[in-house]
Amino acid sequence: SQTIHQWPATLVQPVGSPLSLECTVEGTSNPNLYWYRQAAGRGLQLLFYSVGIGQISSEVPQNLSASRPQDRQFILSSKKLLLSDSGFYLCAWSVHGTGRSFATNEKLFFGSGTQLSVL
Amino acid sequence: AQSVTQLGSHVSVSEGALVLLRCNYSSSVPPYLFWYVQYPNQGLQLLLKYTSAATLVKGINGFEAEFKKSETSFHLTKPSAHMSDAAEYFCAVSAQGSGGYNKLIFGAGTRLAVHP
Repeated sequence: SQTIHQWPATLVQPVGSPLSLECTVEGTSNPNLYWYRQAAGRGLQLLFYSVGIGQISSEVPQNLSASRPQDRQFILSSKKLLLSDSGFYLCAWSVHGTGRSFATNEKLFFGSGTQLSVL
Repeated sequence: AQSVTQLGSHVSVSEGALVLLRCNYSSSVPPYLFWYVQYPNQGLQLLLKYTSAATLVKGINGFEAEFKKSETSFHLTKPSAHMSDAAEYFCAVSAQGSGGYNKLIFGAGTRLAVHP
């Protein structure tokens, strides 16, 4: 069966420090991978998604970046954190596909999240 | 562009009462719609999805949602609330991402409280 691991569960970082959040998926190959941020009262915002190794699509301009060095590994990074980067970060995966047929299979499997506090 | 609006950031019901969580969507193509639930300090789980088959969709834990094209709505209901239903609920619509692939656009969420 497929599992998704995300760590750390909580993180407190000072402003200006770097960030690295890691997400790995087991039990599937060539998944689509996603990073979402959930800010208080603002719902889920898609930050990045990836359909393959080295392929990253950014949804919103921001202080963060993502990388996919391996098929089932997705990393969220920042060189210098801002206060506004605080939030709950969720990694997710879905079965790979394209077009409308992809949407019918668009079930996202989420990790347990990382609560990031930038102070 | 696709979007979803969830009416009411907080909903409170009594145990045993009807649960109604509202979601309206905007889409330039026939939409695929989803409801996800998030329990405290956890990721999201899929409750149900609409993908152009039956307009009344049944999900897990007794929830169901009805797709109404004329109202551009996809409201989530449950006849009788249980204490364990207390969670945050997200409506989502499938949209095309910047790389040409599909993605999910989520609403802001509705926090459901169930009191005895």
